[in-house]
Amino acid sequence: EVQLLESGGGLVQPGGSLRLSCAASGLTFSSHSMSWVRQAPGKGLEWVSAISGSGFTTYYADSVKGRFTVSRDNSRNTLFLQLNSLTAEDTATYYCAKSPGRGHDYGDRIDYWGQGTLVTVSS
Amino acid sequence: DIQMTQSPSSLSASVGDRITITCRTSQTISSYLNWYQQKPGKAPKLLIYGASSLQSGVPSRFSGSGSGTDFTLTISSLQPEDFGTYYCQQSYSNLWTFGQGTKVEIK
Repeated sequence: EVQLLESGGGLVQPGGSLRLSCAASGLTFSSHSMSWVRQAPGKGLEWVSAISGSGFTTYYADSVKGRFTVSRDNSRNTLFLQLNSLTAEDTATYYCAKSPGRGHDYGDRIDYWGQGTLVTVSS
Repeated sequence: DIQMTQSPSSLSASVGDRITITCRTSQTISSYLNWYQQKPGKAPKLLIYGASSLQSGVPSRFSGSGSGTDFTLTISSLQPEDFGTYYCQQSYSNLWTFGQGTKVEIK
């Protein structure tokens, strides 16, 4: 059974940084592209970033480009999201998500989600 | 970015009703459209991918249709467990986008 377990969320001051992790099990991790999707309290879903199975290709929403960095360690079956220059607008639950494909291609989708980790940006 | 517009924003219906949720995109996306269901406090769940393919394990009362810029999610006979918020999502662009969500309540 595929399991995705996020960690690293918490309270951080504006302008601060945080590193989120997602430990994956029950899958051949390197065979799947992975994404981060966030949800502000009481709001809808926002796709944040994706990374190919190899880790060589990354994608970012305009709202986080230049501030967030996605990476993965396939030897440890772990996905990361480095969050820098945080603002109140980044307050959200961050979900780790798996796609069936390897390359974040046309027609891909999210077939498994973690339970999320809450990031709160406040002074 | 590709903009997604769902309608209605919310609806209330009775058990056994047929309901339809619409998703419109700002540019053509072929059939690269997915639907998710989210219940309060839970992660979303994939229902439909590729506009009309039913994800494994999802009840057959859920169906999707459409291509180009106009898509629909239909629940043929609403059940009590179908409450929640439904989101469409496009995967035509590498920069994915979600619709704003449709909240479904059971009368």
